[in-house]
Amino acid sequence: QVQLQESGPGLVKPSQTLSLTCTVSGGSISSGSYYWSWIRQPAGKGLEWIGRIYTSGSTNYNPSLKSRVTISVDTSKNQFSLKLSSVTAADTAVYYCARGPYGGNYLGNWGQGTLVTVSS
Amino acid sequence: SYVLTQPPSVSVAPGQTARITCGGNNIGSKSVHWYQQKPGQAPVLVVYDDSDRPSGIPERFSGSNSGNTATLTISRVEAGDEADYYCQVWDSSSDHKVFGGGTKLTVL
Repeated sequence: QVQLQESGPGLVKPSQTLSLTCTVSGGSISSGSYYWSWIRQPAGKGLEWIGRIYTSGSTNYNPSLKSRVTISVDTSKNQFSLKLSSVTAADTAVYYCARGPYGGNYLGNWGQGTLVTVSS
Repeated sequence: SYVLTQPPSVSVAPGQTARITCGGNNIGSKSVHWYQQKPGQAPVLVVYDDSDRPSGIPERFSGSNSGNTATLTISRVEAGDEADYYCQVWDSSSDHKVFGGGTKLTVL
């Protein structure tokens, strides 16, 4: 069974870049049968989709975040990553990585999430 | 941008049927997916493509989608079903996923 695990700094200063990595185990990220997504959730609020990447490198981003987001994949490490630039307190949230099937638009497997706080 | 509207809360007694709605313009033309999220946990997919269930999800969970409303139905509700539920679609006009605001299901 595939497992996803987020990792990265839990505290980021305002105006800096938030960087997170999702490590995939129990399956190959380069199989081509899936896409890989990031989602976030501020405390007490709903889910916000950030973006997704296919192994080919093709990406889709949330229009509201597109100017600040980069998602990349490292098949050699079986990981994919999120970079969110120019962060503010509004970017404080639990960040989840997730997997969805190629050709489907749902997310069948999720990581446990990691809290990122933006504060000086 | 496409908007999905869910009621903030739904309450139901154990053993009864809970219906959680998700409204959107002509949502019946889209595939709707539903997630269950318990406190402190990651979301779990419970229904995909309007009415399909992933393996391991009880048959008590079902979905439908028509017109401007999609519905997640939970039959014979149990205390363990108490959670937040989110609907989700793909907005093809701007190529991104959209989540509803979430519905808190309370089992009385």
